[in-house]
Amino acid sequence: QVQLQESGPGLVKPSETLSLSCGVSGYSISNGDYWAWIRQPPGKGLDWIATISYGGVTQYSPSLKSRVTISLDTSKNHFSLRLRSVTAADTAIYYCARLTVSGQHFDYWGQGALVTVSS
Amino acid sequence: QSVLTQPPSVSGAPGQRVSISCTGSSSNIGAGFDVHWYQQLPGTAPKLLIFADTNRPSGVPDRFSGSKSGTSASLAISGLEAEDEADYYCQSSDLSLSVSFGTGTKVTVL
Repeated sequence: QVQLQESGPGLVKPSETLSLSCGVSGYSISNGDYWAWIRQPPGKGLDWIATISYGGVTQYSPSLKSRVTISLDTSKNHFSLRLRSVTAADTAIYYCARLTVSGQHFDYWGQGALVTVSS
Repeated sequence: QSVLTQPPSVSGAPGQRVSISCTGSSSNIGAGFDVHWYQQLPGTAPKLLIFADTNRPSGVPDRFSGSKSGTSASLAISGLEAEDEADYYCQSSDLSLSVSFGTGTKVTVL
């Protein structure tokens, strides 16, 4: 069974960098498929942030592209998100998920990590 | 801002059938990209409900069904149950290889 688990600080100061990691168990991320970050502001809908392939090819949301980096660490079987220059608008639950290559849908999700941007 | 539009809410009595629309454009659904649906129960992560327009993952009841036509897709829930009360999101891709989610629909069981 594939399992994903987000980890990282729950509080980030404005203008600083948000860093999250997603640990994957039950599946090797170098086997294939794509890995993604999605966020959900409190009481709002889902927003796709970024995707990375097992080969390191990245895709970013146009609205966040200038501030976001997604990366893969196959030795630790995890992938990461960095979001620079955060503001209160970046406060959200951040989910990591697996995006299937074949169907382009998210079949496994982490439980989510709430990140609050506040001084 | 989402490029896939859903009604904010739908409601129905137990046992009834409800339908949720997902309206896109010629650059996403209309371009032939698959539509997928997720159910998000309160306080939990989204769960895949329908993939590739009409397919149910193992364990999803056959009360849930999906369809697609032109630039729109729909999710139908028949035999509505109290446990179906949740938020539902559609998702697709587009010609720029971006991923988009729908605006979300809250289903209320009366």
